[in-house]
Amino acid sequence: DARVTQTPRHKVTEMGQEVTMRCQPILGHNTVFWYRQTMMQGLELLAYFRNRAPLDDSGMPKDRFSAEMPDATLATLKIQPSEPRDSAVYFCASGYQTYSNQPQHFGDGTRLSIL
Amino acid sequence: KNEVEQSPQNLTAQEGEFITINCSYSVGISALHWLQQHPGGGIVSLFMLSSGKKKHGRLIATINIQEKHSSLHITASHPRDSAVYICAVGSTDKLIFGTGTRLQVFP
Repeated sequence: DARVTQTPRHKVTEMGQEVTMRCQPILGHNTVFWYRQTMMQGLELLAYFRNRAPLDDSGMPKDRFSAEMPDATLATLKIQPSEPRDSAVYFCASGYQTYSNQPQHFGDGTRLSIL
Repeated sequence: KNEVEQSPQNLTAQEGEFITINCSYSVGISALHWLQQHPGGGIVSLFMLSSGKKKHGRLIATINIQEKHSSLHITASHPRDSAVYICAVGSTDKLIFGTGTRLQVFP
C-alpha cells in the first residue's frame, strides 16, 4: 500500500535549535497538509499546499515556522528557533484535489520534544 | 463553543458490546471524516461521508446533514478497537477537528 512517509519519527533537541521535518506524500497526490497535535489543542492545521503552491499557512507561527515544497515528492516544515512550546506530534497528510471532500492519508508523525 | 463537538470524551466497554460515538458540528460542511488513532500511533481515515450511511466491516458511520450530526457505530467491539476516534468536518478549505473520543474495550 502507498504510504505517506515522515522523517524523523522522533526528535529531541534543545531550545533554540533548528528543526526540520520531512514528508514524502503519496505519489500522485496533489495536496499536502501539515498538522500539529498536542494534548491541549488536539489536531490543528498549520499549512497546506496544492500542486506545490502554498494555499494557507494561517495556522502557523510565521516568525519561527516555515513550510515549503521544493518538489512534488518532498514537503518540509522548519522551526527556527525552536521553543519548548513547540513540543508536539507533527503529522503530514496527503490527498488528491479538494481535500475537504476527499480522504486524507496521514503519515505516522514526527514526535518532537524541545528541551 | 467548539465548531465540532464529540461525545463522549471517554468510553469504556466490554468486548462484544455495541458502541456509539457522536459528533455534532455547527458549520456548513462538504464532508465529514471519521479518523482512528491508536496509542502512540498514526492516524487512519476510516470514513468520509457527505450523506446517508457507510459500512466497513464492523464499523458503520451515519450522517444527518439537516441535524448536523454524525454517529460512528462499532458492532461486536473488540480490544483491538481501543483507540481515539476523531471526527473532522470539511468546511470551505479547512478541516476542523473534534477533540476525539478515547475508547477502551476490555476483554
